[in-house]
Amino acid sequence: QSALTQPASVSGSPGQSITISCTGTSSDVGGYNYVSWYQQHPGKAPKLMIYDVSNRPSGVSNRFSGSKSGNTASLTISGLQAEDEADYYCSSYTSSSTPVFGGGTKLTVL
Amino acid sequence: EVQLVQSGAEVKKPGESLRISCKGSGYSFTSYWISWVRQMPGKGLEWMGRIDPSDSYTNYSPSFQGHVTISADKSISTAYLQWSSLKASDTAMYYCARHFVGFGSYYFDYWGQGTLVTVSS
Repeated sequence: QSALTQPASVSGSPGQSITISCTGTSSDVGGYNYVSWYQQHPGKAPKLMIYDVSNRPSGVSNRFSGSKSGNTASLTISGLQAEDEADYYCSSYTSSSTPVFGGGTKLTVL
Repeated sequence: EVQLVQSGAEVKKPGESLRISCKGSGYSFTSYWISWVRQMPGKGLEWMGRIDPSDSYTNYSPSFQGHVTISADKSISTAYLQWSSLKASDTAMYYCARHFVGFGSYYFDYWGQGTLVTVSS
């Protein structure tokens, strides 16, 4: 199972909005509404930010939102804050009944 | 409060065996799968495999099948990841994660703090 494709890096200024894409195939992202997103700060464990494409866990800011169109899922962060600077990973269920992660995207807040 | 607490960092030599642990608390340990995820230095997350603690059924990524063994002892709410013969390429941070599956959902909702494994001669 190949890793999902994410941009290596994205950047934005405080207050702006950014979107991180996660591209797969009909055997993973496109075939199931089981895309999740994780935030990882340096030296820390990943943290669940979005699950099942667009649902936010309790305690996660509503500045984070998720969506999906075809084989591409997206994570949007609005009102960028310095604390959002981190690595972000998408994950999807696959037709092999196993999950797969994306390669990760480094978000820089300028 | 749901917690996954992993065992401490390990430094091993190539060829040695190792077992690291992940203890769950604050929830019914047998009601959720536990997955293991590898993160090599400076790299991304890789799913290794998972176990259902209720019956110890396991499922592995083809990339890790045969190289590691996942097990669990539900009597002490602990999952394990073990190697019989470590290689230098096993040097990485290893995370356990609670794997929520069901009711139209599939995701990792709680993560351990990570166990750093260093394999060097």
